[in-house]
Amino acid sequence: EADIYQTPRYLVIGTGKKITLECSQTMGHDKMYWYQQDPGMELHLIHYSYGVNSTEKGDLSSESTVSRIRTEHFPLTLESARPSHTSQYLCASRALGVTEAFFGQGTRLTVV
Amino acid sequence: SQQGEEDPQALSIQEGENATMNCSYKTSINNLQWYRQNSGRGLVHLILIRSNEREKHSGRLRVTLDTSKKSSSLLITASRAADTASYFCATDGLTGGGNKLTFGTGTQLKVEL
Repeated sequence: EADIYQTPRYLVIGTGKKITLECSQTMGHDKMYWYQQDPGMELHLIHYSYGVNSTEKGDLSSESTVSRIRTEHFPLTLESARPSHTSQYLCASRALGVTEAFFGQGTRLTVV
Repeated sequence: SQQGEEDPQALSIQEGENATMNCSYKTSINNLQWYRQNSGRGLVHLILIRSNEREKHSGRLRVTLDTSKKSSSLLITASRAADTASYFCATDGLTGGGNKLTFGTGTQLKVEL
């Protein structure tokens, strides 16, 4: 079983609120990722990191921001949530080299 | 846009039949991976094939890779109801140090009893 955890599992929040989605892994992986998944299931890469103090934007423009101050922690923040942010957010990590990714269980965010 | 496009989008078969899913990608890659996702859950890694490999097997899974056509296929033999899930291909590009991992659009597989 993968040691990567996302909290909260479900979140319903009002428009304009600031939220932080947590992602932590205990495997010592350098690479971490955030994906946004549509109801129709396509995964969009929104942020990734290849180590402490490195963050990169993914393929899908996002109003969210991320930080990587510690290897094990990769939180995603929305400064002002909107209904268009309603989606499932998946966090993943993997080791350096040609390796498989391990995924958390996801956070289902609903902005009302 | 997504690196990978998969077809079919949805596939429904009977238990015991084989299921084949295809993935096409746009740029040169280091490797290609296949993942499975049960409804509403995270993804689970199934198999990885490197760019210098043409075919790989793991249990009931068979993956092929054709880098000249920029395509891959996943074959699940003797399918079971428990194989019902969504299947995604993912690619590690050659740029950016291979740090990006981008996913295809996915195939929803339903295996009926």
